[in-house]
Amino acid sequence: QQKVQQSPESLTVSEGAMASLNCTFSDGTSNNFRWYRQHSAKGLEVLVSIFSDGEKEEGRFTAHLNRANLHVSLHIREPQPSDSAVYLCGSSNNRIFFGDGTQLVVKP
Amino acid sequence: EAAVTQSPRNKVAVTGGKVTLSCNQTNNHNNMYWYRQDTGHGLRLIHYSYGAGSTEKGDIPDGYKASRPSQENFSLILELATPSQTSVYFCASGDINQAPLFGEGTRLSVL
Repeated sequence: QQKVQQSPESLTVSEGAMASLNCTFSDGTSNNFRWYRQHSAKGLEVLVSIFSDGEKEEGRFTAHLNRANLHVSLHIREPQPSDSAVYLCGSSNNRIFFGDGTQLVVKP
Repeated sequence: EAAVTQSPRNKVAVTGGKVTLSCNQTNNHNNMYWYRQDTGHGLRLIHYSYGAGSTEKGDIPDGYKASRPSQENFSLILELATPSQTSVYFCASGDINQAPLFGEGTRLSVL
């Protein structure tokens, strides 16, 4: 079964500085990838969905997928304190496989 | 509006008691999922379903049963609740190539 590794475990950035999160998958069996945000053990919010190599932008959130390297990243432009949350990456075919998350803190 | 609704939102149960967590989706998605989330373990898949009448075991099914009586409803059943099942439970619905939608979670405490 797919294993998903996220890094870093936690990240602190200043408001307005770029935040970058990473995700590596154990194999190439999944056909779509998503980044989710979770505030304080509430429900998950989908930020970006990406299905092919390259870049996908949704507002201040940009995902980069490199299938050959089994890697997807998330870049948050101009992060705000309200972006402080846990960020999860997930890969899916008919199941969804999640990483353990990155705790992001954005300081004013 | 597309939604996934979980009930109850909070539950306190006694050890050995039966607990049923309910999930309803209005998205007409074929797939539904039950996860639990614990500190240090992320989201772990308990059971999932491809459609009405089907249930599949996820990664941690022991101690849990699932029921999918209709396209809209997916229940998670703890026949004999134990303190180790204290957790936050999330239901989700989705289809291939569609972003999944998650409920707000059910916080379960087993005393």
